[in-house]
Amino acid sequence: DTEVTQTPKHLVMGMTNKKSLKCEQHMGHRAMYWYKQKAKKPPELMFVYSYEKLSINESVPSRFSPECPNSSLLNLHLHALQPEDSALYLCASSYSDRPNEKLFFGSGTQLSVL
Amino acid sequence: GQQLNQSPQSMFIQEGEDVSMNCTSSSIFNTWLWYKQEPGEGPVLLIALYKAGELTSNGRLTAQFGITRKDSFLNISASIPSDVGIYFCAGLYAGGTSYGKLTFGQGTILTVHP
Repeated sequence: DTEVTQTPKHLVMGMTNKKSLKCEQHMGHRAMYWYKQKAKKPPELMFVYSYEKLSINESVPSRFSPECPNSSLLNLHLHALQPEDSALYLCASSYSDRPNEKLFFGSGTQLSVL
Repeated sequence: GQQLNQSPQSMFIQEGEDVSMNCTSSSIFNTWLWYKQEPGEGPVLLIALYKAGELTSNGRLTAQFGITRKDSFLNISASIPSDVGIYFCAGLYAGGTSYGKLTFGQGTILTVHP
């Protein structure tokens, strides 16, 4: 099983809403990632969790709040987003955060902020 | 930080033709990964390369890790319509502030005409 599952698939929210994106993997991976991707552009790293601890925050605005409740789950809490935050949000996981590990991506959540 | 130059940016080919794309960098990488992404989906890992000079195949796909560790190429033989998508190279670097971070190329958009 090399699957990373993301929910919801699509999300539309207003600028005053609070919503959460969810990601789950059961591959025993200990590193999990959030990426943001604009259309036809490469993914951009947002956060890295290693062994359930936040190890990298790529200067992401505080309106994005990650959470790793356990080794299989990763959430991204959204609050007071801007229209320019509309994008495909990808979760990924790898066995560890060592620099030779393959990353496996989920299908993403397509987010639209109105 | 590391940057990857991926070329070509787009390709329009006839079914049955072979395809070649490559990535180059001014910095060395320890691992090269090639992903394919279809609309509305996350990137899917095609091939992972770990050693300079390594040549790896996955069906009709062949990729090589350049001996200078600064480049990689991906070939697709006898293309078919379902090869359509965006192909991304990605490099992993061990060292400095980029430890454990994937650096993505800008992507090659492949269109295959039946």
